[in-house]
Amino acid sequence: NAGVTQTPKFRVLKTGQSMTLLCAQDMNHEYMYWYRQDPGMGLRLIHYSVGEGTTAKGEVPDGYNVSRLKKQNFLLGLESAAPSQTSVYFCASSLGTSGSEQYFGPGTRLTVT
Amino acid sequence: GQSLEQPSEVTAVEGAIVQINCTYQTSGFYGLSWYQQHDGGAPTFLSYNALDGLEETGRFSSFLSRSDSYGYLLLQELQMKDSASYFCAVSQYGQAGTALIFGKGTTLSVSS
Repeated sequence: NAGVTQTPKFRVLKTGQSMTLLCAQDMNHEYMYWYRQDPGMGLRLIHYSVGEGTTAKGEVPDGYNVSRLKKQNFLLGLESAAPSQTSVYFCASSLGTSGSEQYFGPGTRLTVT
Repeated sequence: GQSLEQPSEVTAVEGAIVQINCTYQTSGFYGLSWYQQHDGGAPTFLSYNALDGLEETGRFSSFLSRSDSYGYLLLQELQMKDSASYFCAVSQYGQAGTALIFGKGTTLSVSS
């Protein structure tokens, strides 16, 4: 099992460009999450999904969109990147909610210039 | 809204015991989780408390007091490899189902 994988690992964008981050999990988990992590800010939830075709906003959803067309994939889109979106992005998945262990991917380091 | 407070840094020596506290203010609270992260790598799950009391897993224990909105992570017999960031996180009901809201993390430095 690969667990949770993220593509790409690194990316540099210019302001205004768009991109999609891909998260894939092979554990048949219902729930998937996107977080961003900035120095001193911990992990902040962007969007999450409680099942195929269902998404919900987290703490910091502005400037991002998501889609969950297949159970194993969760895509995070930036339509018009801004320097404030420079961050490390982590995807996670879990079997259930509440206290279910979340399994994290290795992260994507994004820089917007 | 919700907020979680935990110390930003803790230092200790090998073999010692350290306690990382976490206080929270949130609505729709379901439980408190703890995660470990080494050097910006993928966070990994340590423990979860839904009910008051102590949960023990090897050298690590976690405690929750729902009435005090307080919990802590206790690390015993510290080892150098325990140097990492530790995050508390509350499970609360969001727009759809429950989600985790993380604290800002505590950096633990273990020296020899």
